[in-house]
Amino acid sequence: NAGVTQTPKFRVLKTGQSMTLLCAQDMNHEYMYWYRQDPGMGLRLIHYSVGEGTTAKGEVPDGYNVSRLKKQNFLLGLESAAPSQTSVYFCASTGRDYGYTFGSGTRLTVV
Amino acid sequence: DQQVKQNSPSLSVQEGRISILNCDYTNSMFDYFLWYKKYPAEGPTFLISISSIKDKNEDGRFTVFLNKSAKHLSLHIVPSQPGDSAVYFCAAANAGGTSYGKLTFGQGTILTVHP
Repeated sequence: NAGVTQTPKFRVLKTGQSMTLLCAQDMNHEYMYWYRQDPGMGLRLIHYSVGEGTTAKGEVPDGYNVSRLKKQNFLLGLESAAPSQTSVYFCASTGRDYGYTFGSGTRLTVV
Repeated sequence: DQQVKQNSPSLSVQEGRISILNCDYTNSMFDYFLWYKKYPAEGPTFLISISSIKDKNEDGRFTVFLNKSAKHLSLHIVPSQPGDSAVYFCAAANAGGTSYGKLTFGQGTILTVHP
């Protein structure tokens, strides 16, 4: 019963480095989302996907790119990391309702 | 512009008493509301939801109330238990539109239930 799996769980990057966060779900969900959680800001939507091969911008997309080449995977990329991208990143998926299944998060620190 | 607001960053309650968490929203297009619960080092988990056609929804110890005219919802936990200690997020959606399942979250409220 994996649900939504995020890798890695922790990462420290230097400013300017790049990395990719992977989200994988085994529930055959159509919709997938990337959120970031910051103190006092709640969860803010970065990008989302409504199906394989589709992506769209959320509330805070700048500095991030995404891809959904396979239905079960949703990748979040940081091309040139900045300290402002220090955050906890959550991936979520859902079928056609709003009861998201979240991953356990990736804690990213950019120094 | 915070469309969903949880103005209380934290709440402390004695075991067995009622916990009331509040949430306000500004976007009149929101018509579906949810509460999520989050433990440290875990992702949020869905707790309870309510559609704008209702003003109350119950699930065991958890009840959500919606006041559309005031654009306010609340989560009541009765009786509160130490295991309820977590961060609670309020979330809202425009289910009637082409929202593609997108949720707008509040800032979260840290609930601590003391034995």
